[in-house]
Amino acid sequence: DTAVSQTPKYLVTQMGNDKSIKCEQNLGHDTMYWYKQDSKKFLKIMFSYNNKELIINETVPNRFSPKSPDKAHLNLHINSLELGDSAVYFCASSQVGVGEQFFGPGTRLTVL
Amino acid sequence: GDSVTQMEGPVTLSEEAFLTINCTYTATGYPSLFWYVQYPGEGLQLLLKATKADDKGSNKGFEATYRKETTSFHLEKGSVQVSDSAVYFCALHNTNAGKSTFGDGTTLTVKP
Repeated sequence: DTAVSQTPKYLVTQMGNDKSIKCEQNLGHDTMYWYKQDSKKFLKIMFSYNNKELIINETVPNRFSPKSPDKAHLNLHINSLELGDSAVYFCASSQVGVGEQFFGPGTRLTVL
Repeated sequence: GDSVTQMEGPVTLSEEAFLTINCTYTATGYPSLFWYVQYPGEGLQLLLKATKADDKGSNKGFEATYRKETTSFHLEKGSVQVSDSAVYFCALHNTNAGKSTFGDGTTLTVKP
């Protein structure tokens, strides 16, 4: 069974469109994250949710809006996509108080 | 705030060579330390961890020792294989802040 899954794996879209990426974890973890990885492999945290509540919201344009319908899901919606949004987006989860994070396979977003 | 500094890459080695990837950190309190590995086209996965000073984490022939006096957690492997080619991330988890901080990643290429 996949511990942390993301859909879609690839997303190609035009500038100005709105898109969503879905994430689900079946590990029973309380905390979920979204990361952005650029072409140089730098990993930047975007959001962290603990039990459906937003905990960390790094400096991210408000075009990005996370939504957590329950503690097993954390979706990322992006409005008015820009060229600079092209990256690989990773979802991750962890148990509260435990530092180890489990990552999904990533979603490669390409904005044309 | 917390920070993690790891050796800049890329690193290229021949098979069976000795590997060291340096990692130093700055953090308040007593963080847990981690090394993650990201194989091409995949998400990050935990390679090893250490939760307190002088602990040694080990896995798949890789080792790292939590050195509080030098605030370091260097990754080593005695004999690398082509299959070890990947990006390696050093990370810390600050339990008090409930936040993880990742280094910039080091790309390792092992040639036959």
